[in-house]
Amino acid sequence: DAGITQSPRHKVTETGTPVTLRCHQTENHRYMYWYRQDPGHGLRLIHYSYGVKDTDKGEVSDGYSVSRSKTEDFLLTLESATSSQTSVYFCATATLGVTEQYFGPGTRLTVT
Amino acid sequence: GQQLNQSPQSMFIQEGEDVSMNCTSSSIFNTWLWYKQDPGEGPVLLIALYKAGELTSNGRLTAQFGITRKDSFLNISASIPSDVGIYFCAGQNSGSSNTGKLIFGQGTTLQVKP
Repeated sequence: DAGITQSPRHKVTETGTPVTLRCHQTENHRYMYWYRQDPGHGLRLIHYSYGVKDTDKGEVSDGYSVSRSKTEDFLLTLESATSSQTSVYFCATATLGVTEQYFGPGTRLTVT
Repeated sequence: GQQLNQSPQSMFIQEGEDVSMNCTSSSIFNTWLWYKQDPGEGPVLLIALYKAGELTSNGRLTAQFGITRKDSFLNISASIPSDVGIYFCAGQNSGSSNTGKLIFGQGTTLQVKP
């Protein structure tokens, strides 16, 4: 447990609205990741960050953007939510030189 | 993209039985990790493996890093009801060592009958 919190924990939104999910960590970990979890697909990487203002795309990045203005916060934005983005979103962190990732509690997002 | 094949997809066993699950890849990994996810929570790291052939235990859990570096196995001995959950394998190849990126299997859902 790397002191990771996610907010909100649950959200229902309408198609076409913007949504921002927040991940906050207290462990000063350098790396942060956003995943989505869907039945039958396991965890798929959306975007990740390897430092403040340093981000890159994962395997399912279309329709998502991220920002990291300080070490402890990593924001995931859905510019215009679609029903296909209904999912459970997890944030994870890792420290420099260590492979192990530690996960937050997740955000369940429903797009109607 | 690169994928991990995890099997079985689901298991329904009797309390006290041993459990085995595995993960295979078409390419070589330098690190294998095993996670457990309880309902409504995030995955929790169980075991990390860093060396081909390595065998590591964590209580009733034992995991092995396959000698070919393309597979890993997780065994749970004498299962109990709280073992219920989804078990994920994850691997990292040498190309991702500077980003920490992991590739996850699809998960094995374990149910234990008391």
